[in-house]
Amino acid sequence: KQEVTQIPAALSVPEGENLVLNCSFTDSAIYNLQWFRQDPGKGLTSLLLIQSSQREQTSGRLNASLDKSSGRSTLYIAASQPGDSATYLCAPESANQAGTALIFGKGTTLSVSS
Amino acid sequence: ETGVTQTPRHLVMGMTNKKSLKCEQHLGHNAMYWYKQSAKKPLELMFVYSLEERVENNSVPSRFSPECPNSSHLFLHLHTLQPEDSALYLCASSQEIDGHYGYTFGSGTRLTVV
Repeated sequence: KQEVTQIPAALSVPEGENLVLNCSFTDSAIYNLQWFRQDPGKGLTSLLLIQSSQREQTSGRLNASLDKSSGRSTLYIAASQPGDSATYLCAPESANQAGTALIFGKGTTLSVSS
Repeated sequence: ETGVTQTPRHLVMGMTNKKSLKCEQHLGHNAMYWYKQSAKKPLELMFVYSLEERVENNSVPSRFSPECPNSSHLFLHLHTLQPEDSALYLCASSQEIDGHYGYTFGSGTRLTVV
């Protein structure tokens, strides 16, 4: 059964800092891994999708890396801004008893102060 | 607009009521999902529909009943719920063609059972 752990659980930083959010997963047999952000009480917004054959993906100030064999992914946020404040969720796509689907960790709640 | 629309946005229901949540995707995807998000817990996968066929998930109570009449629509029928079923219910869709591609989520339905 796939289990996902995200560290840290919460993070507070001043504006402008570069950040690292960590994600680990127990089953390396994944199809891909997706990073999302979630604002309070809202749905999920997709940030980056990394296929299992890829090592990293970049979008603007965001860069995500994937080490499938060790079961790890990292999300880098450069030059953080107050608008980046949200919960960040890591989700590998794996097979499970309900079929193939994303499995989520509890997320990292980020607060960026101005 | 994310391409996945959920209605209603908010729902309050009594334990003896019957209600339904609706999800519609405008992306041409061939798989749809229901997730439950409770406070302080990771998103939990409830049901998966792939090519309009349901994949069983034995861990979901029978008071939750999904329906997928076509590839664009997904429903979650609710009856005799318990207060602990209060949560944010999220619908997602994805496209699977010789591989697996990113998921798109709706904004969710905030359900309160009284």
